[in-house]
Amino acid sequence: AQKVTQAQTEISVVEKEDVTLDCVYETRDTTYYLFWYKQPPSGELVFLIRRNSFDEQNEISGRYSWNFQKSTSSFNFTITASQVVDSAVYFCALSEADRDDKIIFGKGTRLHILP
Amino acid sequence: SAVISQKPSRDICQRGTSLTIQCQVDSQVTMMFWYRQQPGQSLTLIATANQGSEATYESGFVIDKFPISRPNLTFSTLTVSNMSPEDSSIYLCSVEGASVGRGNTEAFFGQGTRLTVV
Repeated sequence: AQKVTQAQTEISVVEKEDVTLDCVYETRDTTYYLFWYKQPPSGELVFLIRRNSFDEQNEISGRYSWNFQKSTSSFNFTITASQVVDSAVYFCALSEADRDDKIIFGKGTRLHILP
Repeated sequence: SAVISQKPSRDICQRGTSLTIQCQVDSQVTMMFWYRQQPGQSLTLIATANQGSEATYESGFVIDKFPISRPNLTFSTLTVSNMSPEDSSIYLCSVEGASVGRGNTEAFFGQGTRLTVV
């Protein structure tokens, strides 16, 4: 079964702290893609990253970094030196090549960055 | 520039009526996806709109309630039929980036249609 679990429903941290958002996925496919999207209060979906199942290299983009571990089926997202503008709902998602690439979303983690 | 245009952006509808949401893509794509996001919830896939065949619905969604049209490779509609307040949600259409020549990147989403049923 195709499934994405974001166990953290809501997180609050003080500005400038680092924060990690967890994502665990389930799939039977060998070819799949993992995503992170940000949804700020304005409601639009902001793409952050897409990673395919054959690329386990960790990714860093500015204050954002992602840790992809196939051994634990996890794709965690870390924000370093958090800022108030990082406050949003963050969704982890999965698509499988054998399922027409449709994207299944986790329930999301609501992140509050406190000034 | 936006890849996907959705109309209307929002609407308030009476219960028992139907609303058709339009999704226009600026490139030809084989498959388009329709999602629902209920208030405070995640996105749930409703169906995959295939060009030239019937839409494929996910568990819990049926054609009678959410009929989908796909008349060509750049356009799709989703109708929310016989609406009730429980249908109040944001409805989004989506296409894969690779299918619109953007390479191995993101999935593109429309801005969404915010529906309120009263």
